[in-house]
Amino acid sequence: QQQVKQSPQSLIVQKGGISIINCAYENTAFDYFPWYQQFPGKGPALLIAIRPDVSEKKEGRFTISFNKSAKQFSLHIMDSQPGDSATYFCAATNDYKLSFGAGTTVTVRA
Amino acid sequence: NAGVMQNPRHLVRRRGQEARLRCSPMKGHSHVYWYRQLPEEGLKFMVYLQKENIIDESGMPKERFSAEFPKEGPSILRIQQVVRGDSAAYFCASSPRQLSSTDTQYFGPGTRLTVL
Repeated sequence: QQQVKQSPQSLIVQKGGISIINCAYENTAFDYFPWYQQFPGKGPALLIAIRPDVSEKKEGRFTISFNKSAKQFSLHIMDSQPGDSATYFCAATNDYKLSFGAGTTVTVRA
Repeated sequence: NAGVMQNPRHLVRRRGQEARLRCSPMKGHSHVYWYRQLPEEGLKFMVYLQKENIIDESGMPKERFSAEFPKEGPSILRIQQVVRGDSAAYFCASSPRQLSSTDTQYFGPGTRLTVL
C-alpha cells in the first residue's frame, strides 16, 4: 500500500505564479519529510526537507508547510520559473528507506 | 568528484532474457540502495547493500530478482527471465555510512528497462 499520497498528479502554472503540491501520510513513525526534484532523464535530487517538530521551512522560493495533527505536508513554489518545470516527489522516512509519493509534474509557462 | 553512476542508461530486453543493471556509488561510499520507479508511480525501495552484504531486501520481489555489491566493482541488480511488468526505471543511491532518516541519499540517473 502507498504510505505517502500526493496530489495533484500534474499542474500548470504561469511564470511568477505559485505552485502548491500536497502530501499526506499514515505512518506516525515517520520523522523526516524530504522533497525531491527530478528532471527528465535524471535521478531525483533533494530539494528541501523538514522534521515534524517544525511547522514551516523556507529555502529561497521553496517552502514546506507541515501539519503534524493532520499528517499532511505541502510544498509551495513561489514566483515559479520555467526552470522549475520538473517532477516533484514528496517522501517520508524514519530510517534509510524512503517512501515516495507518486509525483507531481509541474509545468511553468513563460 | 563523480556522482553515482549507473549503466546502462537504457536497456531493452525481450521477455525471458536477463537484465543486469550496474551502479557505481560515489567515491568513498560503501552503502548502496536500489529503488524501482514504475510508470506514473513514485520510487519504491527494493534493497540495501553494504560491501559483500545484503542488509535489507524487504522490497525485492521474491523471485527472479537478486542484488550484490562485491568487494570490488559496482553493485549489480540482476533480473532473470524478465517480463513486461519489469519495465521501469531503476535507481540506485549511495551513502558513506548507514543512513539515518535525516541523511541525504544521492541518486544516480537511473537505468530505464524496457521489456518487449
